Amino acid sequence: DTEVTQTPKHLVMGMTNKKSLKCEQHMGHRAMYWYKQKAKKPPELMFVYSYEKLSINESVPSRFSPECPNSSLLNLHLHALQPEDSALYLCASSQDQGGSSYNEQFFGPGTRLTVL
Amino acid sequence: GQQVMQIPQYQHVQEGEDFTTYCNSSTTLSNIQWYKQRPGGHPVFLIQLVKSGEVKKQKRLTFQFGEAKKNSSLHITATQTTDVGTYFCAGYQYSGAGSYQLTFGKGTKLSVIP
Repeated sequence: DTEVTQTPKHLVMGMTNKKSLKCEQHMGHRAMYWYKQKAKKPPELMFVYSYEKLSINESVPSRFSPECPNSSLLNLHLHALQPEDSALYLCASSQDQGGSSYNEQFFGPGTRLTVL
Repeated sequence: GQQVMQIPQYQHVQEGEDFTTYCNSSTTLSNIQWYKQRPGGHPVFLIQLVKSGEVKKQKRLTFQFGEAKKNSSLHITATQTTDVGTYFCAGYQYSGAGSYQLTFGKGTKLSVIP
């Protein structure tokens, strides 16, 4: 199974809502990532988990809260978002976070988030 | 921080013409990866280059990594409509404490006119 799954596919939420995005992989990967992608832009790294511990937080506002319950799951909890947070949220995984080994990132299909 | 520049931003070609996208980093990279994102899709890994001066081929696609490990290119020979999408380079650089970080270029959006 070389697939990263994400739910939901689409999400519309108000600025006062609390919602969560979910990501799952069963490839035994030990690094998992959250990216934000706006239209016509590259993926922008938000968080990295390595061996279930948060290793990189790219100065993301606290209204985004990541969680890694186990090595296969990654959540992104959303609270009090702003309309400018509307984007495609991509989850990815890789064997580990090393840069010298063969370490392709497998991306999920993404959650298209709209904040009203 | 690391910056990865990619040009051109857009390229429109007639089917059968060649296409090249170029990537430049402000710093030396551990390795470089290339991804393709189809319209409405998600990035899909194409290849990773690790060694200085490395050249790899995948059918009509040729990938090069510069001698200084600061630049890279992707060349597609005789484009087909199935090549349509945005091609991203992504450079790995050491970010400290045993961690590496992947930084994406802005991408080149390829349109192929049948």
